[in-house]
Parts: sequence; C-alpha cells; structure tokens
Amino acid sequence: KNEVEQSPQNLTAQEGEFITINCSYSVGISALHWLQQHPGGGIVSLFMLSSGKKKHGRLIATINIQEKHSSLHITASHPRDSAVYICAARGNRDDKIIFGKGTRLHILP
Amino acid sequence: DGGITQSPKYLFRKEGQNVTLSCEQNLNHDAMYWYRQDPGQGLRLIYYSQIVNDFQKGDIAEGYSVSREKKESFPLTVTSAQKNPTAFYLCASSIFQGVGTEAFFGQGTRLTVV
Repeated sequence: KNEVEQSPQNLTAQEGEFITINCSYSVGISALHWLQQHPGGGIVSLFMLSSGKKKHGRLIATINIQEKHSSLHITASHPRDSAVYICAARGNRDDKIIFGKGTRLHILP
Repeated sequence: DGGITQSPKYLFRKEGQNVTLSCEQNLNHDAMYWYRQDPGQGLRLIYYSQIVNDFQKGDIAEGYSVSREKKESFPLTVTSAQKNPTAFYLCASSIFQGVGTEAFFGQGTRLTVV
C-alpha cells in the first residue's frame, strides 16, 4: 500500500462544477503539498499545508492532521483546470517527500 | 528570486550513452531529491541528499548516480546501466526537518532515449 493515496484516479466533470480531490497519508508529516502537472509534464506548486486551510483564487486546500487527510477543491471549474493533480507528503522523521499517484482531471466545456 | 532550476526541459540521447540532468537551487536548502515518473505512474524517489557530500538511495536507484559537491547543486547521471531511462525526471529541495517549511519543485526534465 502506498503511503500516500489519492482519489479519485480519474475525474471528468462539466465546466462550472465543484471539484474535490482527496489525499490520505499514513506517515507523520511536516508538510503536505498539492502540485499541478500539465500535459507537457511541467510541475507547478499550488499549495503547501501544515494545518488548516489555504485559498488561492478558485483553489482551496484543506488538511486534517488528526485524520491524516487533505482535500483540494476547485470552484467554478474550467477546461484550463484540466491537468494531473498530485499530493506530496513530507515525512517528519526522514524528510522524504512521498508522492501520490495523481488524479487526472478533465473538465469538459 | 529564489528558486530551483532544472535543465534542460527536454533531452534526447542515444541508447548506451550516459546523460547528466542538472538541478540547481539558490534557496540555501539542505535537502535535495530526484524523482522519476513513468507514463500513468506516480513519482518515485531515485536519490536524495540531506547534506553536502552525502546522499542516500531511494526506491529505484539502480542505474543512476548522483553527487552533492555543492549545497546548491545535485546533478543526476542516468547511466547506460539503466534499462529504461526514458521518463520524466523531477528535482525538489527543502530545508531539512523543518515543520511547516515548504519544499520547492523544479519544472522537470523529460528524457527520451532513442
């Protein structure tokens, strides 16, 4: 079992829908990252969380440390949001960064 | 502006040749990491370094080598011993063992071996 699990693996939605991507982890962490990967492969860092909630534009990320769970939400989704979203947890013992397998999001116009 | 730079973005090599991928950061980060991603797969750890002149193998180190002679640089060499070198490679850096401190990620290098 991967130490960082994401769900769903694939998600197709209509433009305008509210999107939720989930990330569960089994290790103690010092920080959790949400990344966006576009079809060409380039990685963009969206959020770093160690507690609570962060918002940037239409993106919201939350983390519940006790439940070892984080969510990434996209409000008013748009076709340009289509990408792979990756959760990455940084272990608090060895500092390794462990990645989830990603969620492939496709927003239809 | 501080950041982490990988170069080049796309790289083509002939089979049997060694190739070195560059990763440089000016963030004064102690820890640096190399990951590999295959199509449809998650990122897997190749090597990581927490301090200059020291590094550890990750989950898939075979066929790769690294060096950490300077704090800001962590080059990855894909050797001819790596059986399937074509992949996307990602470099990252962070302050070692800082709770709530941010890791930074390079843009990635897509290596194609023909």
